[in-house]
Amino acid sequence: RKEVEQDPGPFNVPEGATVAFNCTYSNSASQSFFWYRQDCRKEPKLLMSVYSSGNEDGRFTAQLNRASQYISLLIRDSKLSDSATYLCVVNPWDNAGNNRKLIWGLGTSLAVNP
Amino acid sequence: EADIYQTPRYLVIGTGKKITLECSQTMGHDKMYWYQQDPGMELHLIHYSYGVNSTEKGDLSSESTVSRIRTEHFPLTLESARPSHTSQYLCASSGVDRGGRLSFGQGTRLTVV
Repeated sequence: RKEVEQDPGPFNVPEGATVAFNCTYSNSASQSFFWYRQDCRKEPKLLMSVYSSGNEDGRFTAQLNRASQYISLLIRDSKLSDSATYLCVVNPWDNAGNNRKLIWGLGTSLAVNP
Repeated sequence: EADIYQTPRYLVIGTGKKITLECSQTMGHDKMYWYQQDPGMELHLIHYSYGVNSTEKGDLSSESTVSRIRTEHFPLTLESARPSHTSQYLCASSGVDRGGRLSFGQGTRLTVV
Protein backbone atom coordinates (compact mmCIF):
# COMPACT_ATOMS: atom_id res chain seq x y z
CA ARG A 1 0.00 0.00 0.00
CA LYS A 2 1.32 3.44 -0.90
CA GLU A 3 1.96 5.85 1.96
CA VAL A 4 -0.17 8.51 0.30
CA GLU A 5 -3.02 7.53 -1.97
CA GLN A 6 -5.17 9.64 -4.24
CA ASP A 7 -7.86 8.81 -6.74
CA PRO A 8 -6.06 9.56 -10.02
CA GLY A 9 -9.28 10.59 -11.77
CA PRO A 10 -9.68 12.19 -14.17
CA PHE A 11 -12.49 14.22 -12.73
CA ASN A 12 -14.42 15.90 -15.53
CA VAL A 13 -16.72 18.63 -14.26
CA PRO A 14 -18.58 21.54 -15.85
CA GLU A 15 -17.70 25.11 -15.05
CA GLY A 16 -19.31 26.24 -11.84
CA ALA A 17 -19.40 22.79 -10.30
CA THR A 18 -18.15 21.90 -6.85
CA VAL A 19 -15.60 19.11 -6.76
CA ALA A 20 -13.86 17.38 -3.87
CA PHE A 21 -10.72 15.29 -3.73
CA ASN A 22 -9.61 13.01 -0.93
CA CYS A 23 -6.17 11.83 -0.03
CA THR A 24 -5.42 9.10 2.49
CA TYR A 25 -2.13 8.63 4.30
CA SER A 26 -0.82 5.65 6.20
CA ASN A 27 1.65 7.21 8.65
CA SER A 28 -0.29 8.33 11.72
CA ALA A 29 2.77 10.34 12.85
CA SER A 30 2.37 12.68 9.90
CA GLN A 31 2.42 16.27 11.06
CA SER A 32 2.04 18.56 8.08
CA PHE A 33 -0.15 18.35 5.04
CA PHE A 34 -0.28 20.29 1.82
CA TRP A 35 -2.02 20.52 -1.50
CA TYR A 36 0.01 21.40 -4.57
CA ARG A 37 -1.22 22.11 -8.04
CA GLN A 38 0.67 20.98 -11.13
CA ASP A 39 -0.23 22.06 -14.62
CA CYS A 40 0.63 19.79 -17.53
CA ARG A 41 4.41 19.63 -18.02
CA LYS A 42 4.99 22.38 -15.45
CA GLU A 43 6.43 22.47 -11.96
CA PRO A 44 4.26 21.89 -8.86
CA LYS A 45 3.11 25.00 -7.04
CA LEU A 46 1.93 25.17 -3.46
CA LEU A 47 -1.83 25.65 -3.36
CA MET A 48 -2.42 25.58 0.37
CA SER A 49 -1.37 24.06 3.64
CA VAL A 50 -3.91 21.96 5.52
CA TYR A 51 -4.52 22.81 9.15
CA SER A 52 -6.21 20.70 11.79
CA SER A 53 -9.09 23.10 12.09
CA GLY A 54 -9.60 23.25 8.35
CA ASN A 55 -8.82 26.29 6.26
CA GLU A 56 -10.22 28.19 3.36
CA ASP A 57 -8.66 30.30 0.64
CA GLY A 58 -11.24 31.81 -1.67
CA ARG A 59 -12.96 28.98 -3.52
CA PHE A 60 -10.68 26.37 -2.02
CA THR A 61 -11.25 24.60 1.30
CA ALA A 62 -8.88 22.08 2.83
CA GLN A 63 -9.71 19.78 5.70
CA LEU A 64 -7.84 17.23 7.78
CA ASN A 65 -9.33 14.19 9.47
CA ARG A 66 -6.63 12.69 11.69
CA ALA A 67 -8.85 9.90 13.03
CA SER A 68 -9.47 8.55 9.55
CA GLN A 69 -6.10 9.72 8.21
CA TYR A 70 -7.25 11.66 5.23
CA ILE A 71 -7.19 15.17 3.91
CA SER A 72 -9.57 16.72 1.46
CA LEU A 73 -9.67 19.59 -0.98
CA LEU A 74 -12.94 21.20 -2.00
CA ILE A 75 -13.14 23.51 -5.00
CA ARG A 76 -16.28 25.58 -5.37
CA ASP A 77 -17.48 27.34 -8.50
CA SER A 78 -14.90 25.58 -10.70
CA LYS A 79 -13.16 27.66 -13.37
CA LEU A 80 -11.58 26.47 -16.59
CA SER A 81 -8.26 27.59 -15.14
CA ASP A 82 -8.63 25.10 -12.28
CA SER A 83 -7.87 22.28 -14.73
CA ALA A 84 -4.68 20.70 -13.43
CA THR A 85 -3.37 17.83 -11.35
CA TYR A 86 -3.74 18.26 -7.59
CA LEU A 87 -1.01 16.66 -5.52
CA CYS A 88 -1.42 15.65 -1.90
CA VAL A 89 1.77 15.98 0.14
CA VAL A 90 2.36 14.62 3.62
CA ASN A 91 5.26 15.44 5.90
CA PRO A 92 6.04 12.94 8.67
CA TRP A 93 7.87 15.62 10.57
CA ASP A 94 10.93 14.68 12.56
CA ASN A 95 12.08 16.50 15.68
CA ALA A 96 14.42 18.70 13.71
CA GLY A 97 11.61 19.88 11.49
CA ASN A 98 13.22 18.38 8.45
CA ASN A 99 11.02 17.68 5.48
CA ARG A 100 13.31 15.51 3.39
CA LYS A 101 10.79 12.73 3.72
CA LEU A 102 7.99 14.63 2.09
CA ILE A 103 5.70 12.01 0.62
CA TRP A 104 3.97 12.96 -2.61
CA GLY A 105 0.77 11.46 -3.91
CA LEU A 106 0.44 10.59 -7.55
CA GLY A 107 -2.11 13.35 -7.99
CA THR A 108 -5.72 13.72 -9.02
CA SER A 109 -6.39 15.07 -12.48
CA LEU A 110 -9.16 17.66 -12.84
CA ALA A 111 -10.61 18.84 -16.13
CA VAL A 112 -13.13 21.68 -15.95
CA ASN A 113 -15.19 21.85 -19.12
CA PRO A 114 -17.03 24.84 -20.58
CA GLU B 1 6.68 34.65 -6.58
CA ALA B 2 9.46 32.07 -6.28
CA ASP B 3 12.96 33.04 -7.33
CA ILE B 4 14.46 29.73 -8.26
CA TYR B 5 15.95 29.15 -11.65
CA GLN B 6 16.95 26.11 -13.60
CA THR B 7 18.98 25.90 -16.75
CA PRO B 8 18.73 24.61 -19.35
CA ARG B 9 14.97 24.22 -19.69
CA TYR B 10 15.36 21.58 -22.37
CA LEU B 11 18.40 19.44 -23.20
CA VAL B 12 18.86 16.75 -25.82
CA ILE B 13 22.20 15.05 -25.54
CA GLY B 14 23.97 11.93 -26.75
CA THR B 15 24.71 8.84 -24.70
CA GLY B 16 27.94 9.00 -22.73
CA LYS B 17 28.10 12.77 -22.42
CA LYS B 18 28.66 14.50 -19.11
CA ILE B 19 25.98 17.01 -18.21
CA THR B 20 25.35 19.46 -15.42
CA LEU B 21 21.91 20.79 -14.63
CA GLU B 22 22.00 24.16 -12.94
CA CYS B 23 19.76 25.35 -10.11
CA SER B 24 20.00 28.67 -8.34
CA GLN B 25 17.77 30.44 -5.85
CA THR B 26 17.88 34.00 -4.59
CA MET B 27 15.76 33.53 -1.48
CA GLY B 28 18.58 32.51 0.86
CA HIS B 29 16.91 29.17 1.51
CA ASP B 30 19.02 26.61 3.36
CA LYS B 31 17.20 23.56 2.03
CA MET B 32 17.39 22.52 -1.59
CA TYR B 33 16.16 19.43 -3.39
CA TRP B 34 16.29 17.62 -6.69
CA TYR B 35 13.28 15.64 -7.81
CA GLN B 36 12.83 13.44 -10.85
CA GLN B 37 9.45 13.09 -12.51
CA ASP B 38 8.40 11.09 -15.54
CA PRO B 39 5.21 12.10 -17.39
CA GLY B 40 2.10 11.19 -15.42
CA MET B 41 4.16 9.79 -12.57
CA GLU B 42 4.88 10.93 -9.04
CA LEU B 43 7.83 13.01 -7.96
CA HIS B 44 10.84 11.12 -6.65
CA LEU B 45 13.41 12.77 -4.41
CA ILE B 46 16.90 12.01 -5.69
CA HIS B 47 19.08 14.47 -3.72
CA TYR B 48 18.74 17.05 -1.00
CA SER B 49 20.83 19.50 0.94
CA TYR B 50 20.27 21.26 4.24
CA GLY B 51 23.05 23.75 3.78
CA VAL B 52 26.49 24.42 2.38
CA ASN B 53 28.65 21.30 2.16
CA SER B 54 25.70 19.11 3.16
CA THR B 55 24.24 16.72 0.57
CA GLU B 56 22.39 13.46 0.88
CA LYS B 57 20.81 10.96 -1.45
CA GLY B 58 17.06 10.82 -1.61
CA ASP B 59 14.64 7.95 -1.76
CA LEU B 60 15.18 7.11 -5.41
CA SER B 61 18.55 5.71 -6.38
CA SER B 62 20.21 7.92 -8.93
CA GLU B 63 23.50 7.85 -10.77
CA SER B 64 23.73 11.61 -10.54
CA THR B 65 25.76 13.60 -8.04
CA VAL B 66 25.23 17.04 -6.50
CA SER B 67 27.29 19.69 -4.77
CA ARG B 68 26.45 22.60 -2.47
CA ILE B 69 29.38 24.96 -2.30
CA ARG B 70 27.23 28.08 -2.08
CA THR B 71 23.85 28.51 -0.45
CA GLU B 72 22.20 29.69 -3.63
CA HIS B 73 23.58 27.07 -6.01
CA PHE B 74 22.79 23.32 -6.18
CA PRO B 75 23.95 21.78 -9.46
CA LEU B 76 23.26 18.19 -10.47
CA THR B 77 25.77 16.27 -12.58
CA LEU B 78 25.50 13.12 -14.65
CA GLU B 79 28.97 11.83 -15.55
CA SER B 80 27.78 9.66 -18.41
CA ALA B 81 24.26 10.18 -19.66
CA ARG B 82 22.16 7.19 -20.72
CA PRO B 83 18.70 6.94 -22.31
CA SER B 84 17.35 5.72 -18.96
CA HIS B 85 18.16 9.20 -17.57
CA THR B 86 15.57 10.75 -19.85
CA SER B 87 13.15 12.52 -17.53
CA GLN B 88 12.17 15.85 -16.05
CA TYR B 89 14.40 17.12 -13.27
CA LEU B 90 12.89 19.60 -10.82
CA CYS B 91 14.87 21.66 -8.35
CA ALA B 92 13.18 23.05 -5.24
CA SER B 93 14.06 25.00 -2.13
CA SER B 94 12.51 25.86 1.20
CA GLY B 95 13.32 28.09 4.13
CA VAL B 96 14.10 26.86 7.65
CA ASP B 97 10.58 27.33 8.96
CA ARG B 98 8.63 26.42 5.88
CA GLY B 99 8.09 22.71 6.44
CA GLY B 100 6.70 21.19 3.28
CA ARG B 101 6.30 24.53 1.53
CA LEU B 102 8.60 24.13 -1.42
CA SER B 103 9.29 26.53 -4.23
CA PHE B 104 10.10 24.77 -7.49
CA GLY B 105 12.09 25.82 -10.49
CA GLN B 106 10.57 25.36 -13.93
CA GLY B 107 12.42 22.11 -14.46
CA THR B 108 14.87 20.70 -16.98
CA ARG B 109 13.47 18.28 -19.49
CA LEU B 110 16.34 15.95 -20.37
CA THR B 111 16.36 13.62 -23.34
CA VAL B 112 19.30 11.29 -23.85
CA VAL B 113 19.51 9.79 -27.32
